Amino acid sequence: NAGVTQTPKFQVLKTGQSMTLQCAQDMNHNSMYWYRQDPGMGLRLIYYSASEGTTDKGEVPNGYNVSRLNKREFSLRLESAAPSQTSVYFCASSGPGRNQPQHFGDGTRLSIL
Amino acid sequence: AQSVTQPDIHITVSEGASLELRCNYSYGATPYLFWYVQSPGQGLQLLLKYFSGDTLVQGIKGFEAEFKRSQSSFNLRKPSVHWSDAAEYFCAVGGGSNYKLTFGKGTLLTVNP
Repeated sequence: NAGVTQTPKFQVLKTGQSMTLQCAQDMNHNSMYWYRQDPGMGLRLIYYSASEGTTDKGEVPNGYNVSRLNKREFSLRLESAAPSQTSVYFCASSGPGRNQPQHFGDGTRLSIL
Repeated sequence: AQSVTQPDIHITVSEGASLELRCNYSYGATPYLFWYVQSPGQGLQLLLKYFSGDTLVQGIKGFEAEFKRSQSSFNLRKPSVHWSDAAEYFCAVGGGSNYKLTFGKGTLLTVNP
């Protein structure tokens, strides 16, 4: 019963390097989300995908791109990493309907030097 | 725009004491409200949710929350706190057509023996 799986769990990058964070869910959910969590800031939405084939910007999309590869997978890419992108990244998914809760992965801890 | 305020950044209680974590929201229509808990190094776990009906909702781990429309509040309560409840707690509001949630900045709970 995996739920939402994120890889990798930890990563250290140098400024300017690129990286793709992977997320997969096995709950047949339509909607998927990427958040970043920084101390004292709560969770901020980077991008989301309401359904397969669609993606939209969230609150803090600058410096990121996403791909909804299929219904199961939603990846987040940093094209040229910056120290300000050091954070913990969470992927989430939710079923159809506005009242459905989001289910979270365990996060990717990303440090950019 | 929807927003969530958790007025208390950090709360310390003794084991066995009662607990109330505050959450105030701003939303233009009937909100969908959620409480999540995050243990160190983990993702977010859903504690409970409110959509409609009975304003007192029960969740997992002995938690409950009360929706008060007149006060725009959704406070989380537990009659007797256990040491294992030490974690960070997030309130979230949603309900829009794009299924997005807006999270508060969290309340860190410390439990003293």
